Amino acid sequence: QSVLTQPPSVSAAPGQKVTISCSGSSSNIGNNYVSWYQQLPGTAPKLLIYDNNKRPSGIPDRFSGSKSGTSATLGITGLQTGDEADYYCGTWDSSLSVNWVFGGGTKLTVL
Amino acid sequence: QVQLVQSGAEVKKPGSSVKVSCKASGGTFSSYAISWVRQAPGQGLEWMGRIIPILGIANYAQKFQGRVTITADKSTSTAYMELSSLRSEDTAVYYCASWKSRWFDPWGQGTLVTVSS
Repeated sequence: QSVLTQPPSVSAAPGQKVTISCSGSSSNIGNNYVSWYQQLPGTAPKLLIYDNNKRPSGIPDRFSGSKSGTSATLGITGLQTGDEADYYCGTWDSSLSVNWVFGGGTKLTVL
Repeated sequence: QVQLVQSGAEVKKPGSSVKVSCKASGGTFSSYAISWVRQAPGQGLEWMGRIIPILGIANYAQKFQGRVTITADKSTSTAYMELSSLRSEDTAVYYCASWKSRWFDPWGQGTLVTVSS
């Protein structure tokens, strides 16, 4: 059971838009920055979004992030078949048991 | 831009230990922290701990306290993660990643550790 809750899967057609939610609490998302990672099949995760809504160099502006209260959202527009991957949110958690937490991951299927 | 290269796959017996390395090139090794994250087959990401090489201070997720040791050798720009008392549930891909305090970037290529009798 992940501390951050993501939908197990989402799907959309090429060219369409999709959003992936990440729900937490005041001990994590509510008081900390969120980052998002893309994991293509058989590869290591890759940073997509940091500090809630910033894109690293090289990440297309089709990818966007936002945060409101204790939830965060990753948006992907102009879907491409190459976007098929698992997506994870992550943030610092100020509870005693862990320091950093990830969501359970969302598998994106581009139909 | 720093690059992280990890050691190769390992097969271990239950009850034994494994030590995975993560060598950094580019950038200044001591100026950033290294975290370890694992991913069991078909599962999500799980943070294990981190080390700040310049300080030599490591922090661990409570779940792994007492079983994991993260160290760093500044002379070779290499971080290590040692996990002891291995059990089948520890079978996973172990990743190192450069920790920028609020995000991880970049990541190593991953090391598969298989625990099997």
